[in-house]
Amino acid sequence: DAMVIQNPRYQVTQFGKPVTLSCSQTLNHNVMYWYQQKSSQAPKLLFHYYDKDFNNEADTPDNFQSRRPNTSFCFLDIRSPGLGDAAMYLCATSRETGVGGQFFGPGTRLTVL
Amino acid sequence: AQSVTQLDSHVSVSEGTPVLLRCNYSSSYSPSLFWYVQHPNKGLQLLLKYTSAATLVKGINGFEAEFKKSETSFHLTKPSAHMSDAAEYFCVVSDRPEYGNKLVFGAGTILRVKS
Repeated sequence: DAMVIQNPRYQVTQFGKPVTLSCSQTLNHNVMYWYQQKSSQAPKLLFHYYDKDFNNEADTPDNFQSRRPNTSFCFLDIRSPGLGDAAMYLCATSRETGVGGQFFGPGTRLTVL
Repeated sequence: AQSVTQLDSHVSVSEGTPVLLRCNYSSSYSPSLFWYVQHPNKGLQLLLKYTSAATLVKGINGFEAEFKKSETSFHLTKPSAHMSDAAEYFCVVSDRPEYGNKLVFGAGTILRVKS
């Protein structure tokens, strides 16, 4: 089945220790998104890739970076995680028009000690 | 700019009774609207979508929603709640394509189903 896969599902890191979250998709969608979702809140868009074009949200901290080496994979790098970065991180994909909606992966729960 | 208001932060129903989750939107053009469901510690699953075709949209698991332009509403309904429907539901409007097809989320409604 076509899907969005996130690894790992649970990630524990230490304060200030860099961490990378992974997302892959078999839908062949050309747009990929990263969201941060804190407890009891709606997801918040961090950035998205339209093919290889990177689009950062204005309020996304510099601590968050992303890479998309090919159509299928996208990575979220947190350079120096703080306690406030503990959250669920969701990857999503869509076709370029976005009319059909976005398809979400299961998420990675990040804990910062 | 687009916006979404979910009128209830929590809804509690008994199993077997109807579900109504209310959503109002604001958009300066003809929007695409979605309902997503999120179970605890899971990703978001698309329940249904409205994209300017039929105003009554049927989704998965017996849910449906009606787009009412005059009322700027897109309420989600289900005739008979099941225990497995307990989750958080997000009403979402899609921003204009030239802005990257961003999703604008409502604050969410937590649905509790009592046995």
